[in-house]
Parts: sequence; C-alpha cells; structure tokens
Amino acid sequence: ILNVEQSPQSLHVQEGDSTNFTCSFPSSNFYALHWYRWETAKSPEALFVMTLNGDEKKKGRISATLNTKEGYSYLYIKGSQPEDSATYLCASGGNSGYALNFGKGTSLLVTP
Amino acid sequence: NAGVMQNPRHLVRRRGQEARLRCSPMKGHSHVYWYRQLPEEGLKFMVYLQKENIIDESGMPKERFSAEFPKEGPSILRIQQVVRGDSAAYFCASCPLAGGPRNEQFFGPGTRLTVL
Repeated sequence: ILNVEQSPQSLHVQEGDSTNFTCSFPSSNFYALHWYRWETAKSPEALFVMTLNGDEKKKGRISATLNTKEGYSYLYIKGSQPEDSATYLCASGGNSGYALNFGKGTSLLVTP
Repeated sequence: NAGVMQNPRHLVRRRGQEARLRCSPMKGHSHVYWYRQLPEEGLKFMVYLQKENIIDESGMPKERFSAEFPKEGPSILRIQQVVRGDSAAYFCASCPLAGGPRNEQFFGPGTRLTVL
C-alpha cells in the first residue's frame, strides 16, 4: 500500500447503531497514525495520535486500534448519535520526514 | 485561547494574479504546516515551517508557490500567477512542539481559493 486508504467512503447509520471504519496505510517506515474528526464548516479536530503496534485509544464512545505490522487502523463509534455526523480522516506519518499523508475520509451520517 | 486563524476564508483571483493566504497559529505554537485539498481529493502536505525557517517543503510545487513564517506575524502562503488548477482549499495547522508525525496538529478553518 503506497497511499492511505479509507473505507467505506460514506456510511449512513441510525441513531444508536455502533459502527466502524478502516484506515490502511504503508506499514514500512511507519511512525504515527492520526485520526481527525471534521464537521462541515469547521476545522479538522484531532481524535487520536497512535504510534505503537497494538495501541488502543478511547475517547468517550469513540475508540481506535492500530496494527502497524499489517498497516491498518480501525475507528469504532459505539451508540452513534446525530452529533457524530462528520467526516473522519486518518493520516499516517513516516520516519523520514514531517509530512502526514491523509486519506480521503469516511463521511458518516447518523439519523435519528 | 483562540484557535488557528486563517484569512481570508474565501479568495477569488483571476488567472495571472497573486494569492496570499495567511495563517496565525495558536498562541504559543511556533510550528506551522500547510496543506492543500483539491476537489474530490484528500489533504495533501505542502510545507512545514518553524519561525524563520522552512524545514520541509517536499510537497510544494516547484514553481509559483512559496511560504514563509516570519519572526513576527502570520505564516504566508503565496501563489504567484495563479491558474485554474490552483483552485482548492488551503489549510494550515500548527503544533507547539518541534515538528514530527507524532505530534497532534491543530487545524485552521481553511481558505477557499477560486481562480476564474
């Protein structure tokens, strides 16, 4: 994998459903994996920065896991709420520069 | 504590004109990143600056684009002789620590450049 890939591209769930989406990234020269939440008309907001294989992080109903050996991360949302509607971006950074490489995002819509 | 500020939020230029985009980092942050989002694309890294220094410009187009972050004042992304393909949203992000992919970045709201 040369680029950061996110799937699905978009997702529509009902309030109360739990959901998850995937980020795939280059596993060679891996240094860090970021998840951002981006609401329409606002700035992307950092959710997690993860560095270690097997890392799991949690913030409220949102959690993320990291597998650096196979190059993927999952983001989970438990009991989705309408206010969770946003685009979720992941980005990976390598150990040879300062750039973060972003995926195109997963657009989540939660309806009541 | 004010967040990252960008201005203008919207900028319209005709082909051949210059565009200047400004980014004021969060208070206490001395490191700035610029990203570009073309239509239907993800955020693409352009340049990373510390005050008075360009650290990594590996994502900057070779011509017409330049960036600076002076000792005083905002960071400026300058695009000379704009073309229609420069139409995009330009985001800056700041962080308080010496730059590296392990540091959380704080994003501004972006400047949407339209070239007529």
